[in-house]
Amino acid sequence: SQTIHQWPATLVQPVGSPLSLECTVEGTSNPNLYWYRQAAGRGLQLLFYSVGIGQISSEVPQNLSASRPQDRQFILSSKKLLLSDSGFYLCAWSRTGATSGNTIYFGEGSWLTVV
Amino acid sequence: GNSVTQMEGPVTLSEEAFLTINCTYTATGYPSLFWYVQYPGEGLQLLLKATKADDKGSNKGFEATYRKETTSFHLEKGSVQVSDSAVYFCAPVDSGGSNYKLTFGKGTLLTVNP
Repeated sequence: SQTIHQWPATLVQPVGSPLSLECTVEGTSNPNLYWYRQAAGRGLQLLFYSVGIGQISSEVPQNLSASRPQDRQFILSSKKLLLSDSGFYLCAWSRTGATSGNTIYFGEGSWLTVV
Repeated sequence: GNSVTQMEGPVTLSEEAFLTINCTYTATGYPSLFWYVQYPGEGLQLLLKATKADDKGSNKGFEATYRKETTSFHLEKGSVQVSDSAVYFCAPVDSGGSNYKLTFGKGTLLTVNP
């Protein structure tokens, strides 16, 4: 069976510090990978998605970046965090293919508080 | 791209009450439709889905029917429990080639009191 795991689960970082959130998927190959953010009191916002190694698409301009160094590894980074980066970050994956009914599966989420 | 309008919350019900959370969408094609649930402090879990018109998705007593004519996918449950308290997200899939991006509604917070 497939599993997705992201870490750390929670972190508190000062403004201006770097960020690295990591996500891995097991039990599948060549998945589509996603990073979403859920700010307090708001819905989900897609930040990045990737259809393959080294292929990253950004949905929203910001001071965050994403990388996919391996097939099932997806990393969210920032060189200098802002207060507005606080939120709940969710990694997700889906199977590749032309079937629109593919489900997107989410990780447990990472709570980031920038102070 | 797709967009979705979801019933504003919060919704507060007593146990065993009937639940409806409205969801309507706009899409250029024929999206698949999903409901996700987020329990407190957790990530999102798939609740149910429907992939074509008139399909009914169901799970854990929840149901939603894909209504193409009204572009709706309303979530219903005949008798809610305290354990159903969560945030519910409606989402049509944007099936652009081999990449699938969900367009989420803003979420509806449901609180069920004993």
